[in-house]
Formats: sequence, C-alpha cells, structure tokens
Amino acid sequence: EAGVAQSPRYKIIEKRQSVAFWCNPISGHATLYWYQQILGQGPKLLIQFQNNGVVDDSQLPKDRFSAERLKGVDSTLKIQPAKLEDSAVYLCASSVTGATVSYEQYFGPGTRLTVT
Amino acid sequence: GQQLNQSPQSMFIQEGEDVSMNCTSSSIFNTWLWYKQDPGEGPVLLIALYKAGELTSNGRLTAQFGITRKDSFLNISASIPSDVGIYFCAPANDYKLSFGAGTTVTVRA
Repeated sequence: EAGVAQSPRYKIIEKRQSVAFWCNPISGHATLYWYQQILGQGPKLLIQFQNNGVVDDSQLPKDRFSAERLKGVDSTLKIQPAKLEDSAVYLCASSVTGATVSYEQYFGPGTRLTVT
Repeated sequence: GQQLNQSPQSMFIQEGEDVSMNCTSSSIFNTWLWYKQDPGEGPVLLIALYKAGELTSNGRLTAQFGITRKDSFLNISASIPSDVGIYFCAPANDYKLSFGAGTTVTVRA
C-alpha cells in the first residue's frame, strides 16, 4: 500500500513570496491533516479535512495560509506571502475515518521550507 | 491550557541497553500514541494505546497508558543503532493529536 505522498521535498523562497505544497493521502483515507513542525518541536496541527470539508482550522494563520481539498482526495497548502518564521517542515498526514483507528495518523515525508 | 511534558529531552544509548521515556499531561486523554521520526522523514507510528492501564508491545518496544489517563511511558529493550531518532508522544482526544517536544535518542560513542 502506497504511503502519503508530498511534494516538493524542499523549497527555498524569499520572504513575501508565495509557495504551495501538495499532498496525496493513503488511498481510502477520508481524513487529511496538515501540520507545521518547527525545528526542535513536535508537529503542530494547522488544518484537518474530512473528505473535502474543513473540520478544524483554528490554528491556521488565515491571513497568509490557505488550504483546499477540492475532490476529497489530494490537498494543497499555500502560504502567501511567506514570512521568515514560516521556515519549518510541513507534514501531511491521513487517517481512516470511523472507529478507534481514526486516531492512527500516517505521515508523509514532509516539505522542508526555508524562507530567506 | 493543556501542558504536555516529555522527558528526558535527550538521551544517549549504548547498544544492548534498555531505555525508557515518558510523557505527562495536565489533561486527560482518551488515546496515547507513540511516534518515531528519523531525520528528513515524517513521524512513523510505533504503538497506539486505547485504554487506561493498557500495556502494549511491538517487538522490542513496550508502552503503557497510565491509569490516570494523564501519562504514558515507552520502553525500548536491547537497543540497536537504528533506534536513534526522535520519539514523540501524541495523546489524543476527538481524533486530534497533541505532540510532545520529543525525546532525541543518540548513540553513545
């Protein structure tokens, strides 16, 4: 079974530029998450989708971050404009919906963003 | 707000040693998960605990969900070089995970 796919793996941009990350979850996983992981810290949830609907975006800085999951499968996270403090690894995870296994999230390799 | 403390922050292991790390919270959780993250990779699920008091093993790994539902520990027995990495506890409520700051495990020279 293929895992969570993310691209690109690395991105370097200048502050005030825009950037987009892409995620394709494990086939059949209805729930998709985007996390931000700053160096030396654990991942922090940015947004959670179930199918193509947003379940929780309370931690998403909506003035500059946006995310969509139009067809309920793959998802895009965008930052516009980027700030220096956005330098981090952006992780996508997915989980099966329903029953206790929904707690078990499976992560992609992440996109390492450097803002200069 | 909820506080999550993971300790130790870092540890050195020697091949063959048993190691232990734990996580405590100021809040009650329904589920405790443990993940391991290698450099340049995403976290990988190691063990999931669903009941207070539950003790679960996965190979050389053993984890327990505390009776109070506010803590959990992870033990690694007979450590090997590939055990190096960052271990995260991730307790959960309502299908949302909260990650600790991690325990970094490195090999003692």
